[in-house]
Amino acid sequence: GQSLEQPSEVTAVEGAIVQINCTYQTSGFYGLSWYQQHDGGAPTFLSYNALDGLEETGRFSSFLSRSDSYGYLLLQELQMKDSASYFCAGRMDSNYQLIWGAGTKLIIKP
Amino acid sequence: GAVVSQHPSWVICKSGTSVKIECRSLDFQATTMFWYRQFPKQSLMLMATSNEGSKATYEQGVEKDKFLINHASLTLSTLTVTSAHPEDSSFYICSARDTGTSSYEQYFGPGTRLTVT
Repeated sequence: GQSLEQPSEVTAVEGAIVQINCTYQTSGFYGLSWYQQHDGGAPTFLSYNALDGLEETGRFSSFLSRSDSYGYLLLQELQMKDSASYFCAGRMDSNYQLIWGAGTKLIIKP
Repeated sequence: GAVVSQHPSWVICKSGTSVKIECRSLDFQATTMFWYRQFPKQSLMLMATSNEGSKATYEQGVEKDKFLINHASLTLSTLTVTSAHPEDSSFYICSARDTGTSSYEQYFGPGTRLTVT
């Protein structure tokens, strides 16, 4: 079957760097997306990796290794507002359908 | 940026009644929209893919006769929960991709919280 695995919770300190990992098992795979969701809100897009390597967008970076079926989201200079749930989602077909991981709750301490 | 609206934002209905949820792309066209449901502190579960002008594609285990989807225009998709029961209470979220771009980003609506009593 198709599945994405990510840690349920990660704790970090304000100003630090944190990495959220995502491994996937799929029969077909186009790319890996990352979304942020604050409690009670809708998911917002962070990044998409179709090719191997690192994509950087401001304080957030995302990495993909197709050979390892693995990706991660890297958050730098953590701010309290970054406290949220982060989801990896695999794009499985040409229709842009996404299969979602269970989400990682990021807790940031001052 | 692209905006997706949902209406209503929350609704309480009695068991056995039907509820319609609208999802609109306000400043872009969306050939395809997606409907999800999300339980508290859980991930998004894809229910169906809504295609403009054609039948929706439902995920395994989702009853198409219970969750009716209509995608009548490039900016509007509706989800109707028919004969709602308490177990249908959930957070329903739609998303859409801008058909006019090559971006992979999906834009999400703010969600609709459905409570069935």
